[in-house]
Amino acid sequence: DGGITQSPKYLFRKEGQNVTLSCEQNLNHDAMYWYRQDPGQGLRLIYYSQIVNDFQKGDIAEGYSVSREKKESFPLTVTSAQKNPTAFYLCASNEGAFQPQHFGDGTRLSIL
Amino acid sequence: AQSVTQLGSHVSVSEGALVLLRCNYSSSVPPYLFWYVQYPNQGLQLLLKYTSAATLVKGINGFEAEFKKSETSFHLTKPSAHMSDAAEYFCAVSESGGSNYKLTFGKGTLLTVNP
Repeated sequence: DGGITQSPKYLFRKEGQNVTLSCEQNLNHDAMYWYRQDPGQGLRLIYYSQIVNDFQKGDIAEGYSVSREKKESFPLTVTSAQKNPTAFYLCASNEGAFQPQHFGDGTRLSIL
Repeated sequence: AQSVTQLGSHVSVSEGALVLLRCNYSSSVPPYLFWYVQYPNQGLQLLLKYTSAATLVKGINGFEAEFKKSETSFHLTKPSAHMSDAAEYFCAVSESGGSNYKLTFGKGTLLTVNP
């Protein structure tokens, strides 16, 4: 079945450490997205990519980095510059403008 | 930029009762609107979408939403709540112009269904 796979489901980070969250899709979608979800705040866009080798900052990009070297993969790195990284991170993809986004099951990141 | 307001962060209904979740949007052009549902520790699942074809949109699990341009609203309804409907619901609007890949989400409404 086609879908979006996020791994790991749970991730723990030590202070000062970078961690990378994986997102893979087999839907053949051009566009991919990363969101951060905090209780009561809805979803906030971190980064998005409309096409391979191109990506744009979202509303809360500081302390995060991404790459888009392959169409099916869009990993997110949470750097040590992100001072409050504890959250639920969601990856999504769609075929293009105005199309519904399909979501993975998320990665929950916590600080040790 | 677009914005989405979901009135009521928490709605509680009895099993079998009407479900009404409110969503108002701001948009300077005809919008594309979406409702998503999220169960605990899972991603979002699309319930339905409005793309200007019809003002009353039917979705999955018996949900429907009506687009009212004069009220800039896209409220979600279900005639009879089921225990399995307990989840968080998000309304979203597609950005226009050069940012039309992006969705703006409301803050969500948590639906509780009481037996």
